[in-house]
Amino acid sequence: GAGVSQSPRYKVAKRGQDVALRCDPISGHVSLFWYQQALGQGPEFLTYFQNEAQLDKSGLPSDRFFAERPEGSVSTLKIQRTQQEDSAVYLCASSLIETQYFGPGTRLLVL
Amino acid sequence: GQQLNQSPQSMFIQEGEDVSMNCTSSSIFNTWLWYKQDPGEGPVLLIALYKAGELTSNGRLTAQFGITRKDSFLNISASIPSDVGIYFCAGHLTSNDYKLSFGAGTTVTVRA
Repeated sequence: GAGVSQSPRYKVAKRGQDVALRCDPISGHVSLFWYQQALGQGPEFLTYFQNEAQLDKSGLPSDRFFAERPEGSVSTLKIQRTQQEDSAVYLCASSLIETQYFGPGTRLLVL
Repeated sequence: GQQLNQSPQSMFIQEGEDVSMNCTSSSIFNTWLWYKQDPGEGPVLLIALYKAGELTSNGRLTAQFGITRKDSFLNISASIPSDVGIYFCAGHLTSNDYKLSFGAGTTVTVRA
């Protein structure tokens, strides 16, 4: 069956540019997570949705980061006025009950 | 930052060897999970542990949830080339905690 998909897989942005990263979770999965993975590190939690409700955004590093899941399925992570320190892999995960299934990630490079 | 400390940071394996890695924390964790990440892919769950002292196997992989709830180890027996990758420990701090905390990973490479 289809797993979690993310697009684009790679994104190069100029500093100051806005970017939007998309996540298509596994069909029927209620919970959706975004994580940020810096080079050589483990993923770090950004935000969590249960259906369309964003229940936790405590991990978002600044107010330039915004996530939405308006219909409780596809989610978009938007980063405004990108900075070099935003360069990382952004991972999306979805779950039905407990096990989180990860997508391949979007590798963002800010120049 | 990472609450989970993984060691070793990297290791070289020879095909057929048994390998072991571990993860410790100053905090008590409710669950421990071990993931593997291949280049360009997301982490894939290998083993999940839910009770202190639990020992669980998945094929050539064996993992244990420490009695103190502050540590876990992962063993790979009779390693094969496709075992190369980055292994992460992860956990939930409480039973109500939905987000995962990850270690920094152990990179496994085949020794030439």
